[in-house]
Amino acid sequence: DQQVKQNSPSLSVQEGRISILNCDYTNSMFDYFLWYKKYPAEGPTFLISISSIKDKNEDGRFTVFLNKSAKHLSLHIVPSQPGDSAVYFCAASDRNTGNQFYFGTGTSLTVIP
Amino acid sequence: KAGVTQTPRYLIKTRGQQVTLSCSPISGHRSVSWYQQTPGQGLQFLFEYFSETQRNKGNFPGRFSGRQFSNSRSEMNVSTLELGDSALYLCASSPGGQVYGYTFGSGTRLTVV
Repeated sequence: DQQVKQNSPSLSVQEGRISILNCDYTNSMFDYFLWYKKYPAEGPTFLISISSIKDKNEDGRFTVFLNKSAKHLSLHIVPSQPGDSAVYFCAASDRNTGNQFYFGTGTSLTVIP
Repeated sequence: KAGVTQTPRYLIKTRGQQVTLSCSPISGHRSVSWYQQTPGQGLQFLFEYFSETQRNKGNFPGRFSGRQFSNSRSEMNVSTLELGDSALYLCASSPGGQVYGYTFGSGTRLTVV
């Protein structure tokens, strides 16, 4: 049972434009969310996180939005750069389960120069 | 600061054999988690160790086991290998606690033939 879903397996965006990656979750107990970026042959790299007490968190070109009522989060990358081309995973956890994170299946982003 | 080190990087085993994978976390990190990544399934949580104790376990059969040593290094063992165990196995370390997220290693690519 996939508790975290990324329904778009792939996304292509022109360089300089905005990339929006989406993630849905089913467990209302999730209270902490992260985004990871993964290049081929490397492990995932932490990108940005958000706690359920917030609805937005920014870090440079990356902004994560959380809509708790819709159980939806999104990652915005502005402006998109060719180096952003990678697979992006969202992950969620429930503090009651400690350090266990549930990951989505990933969205492969291609930024076209 | 050294990252998370996983050995070996690649492994080919025969069905029915057993395998041991190793993970050295970032110095000072006491939590080590293991994930299995397969195409279309994203990252599936195997287990988490904290201070030599298994703190969380995912939904995997008993053929998958692990342990953590006093220096926080961790090993994962899979017995009686099946073809479906072919995957990228990722180790992640954390200081411990939900809000820190993970730092992942580059993974061990296991192929069962």
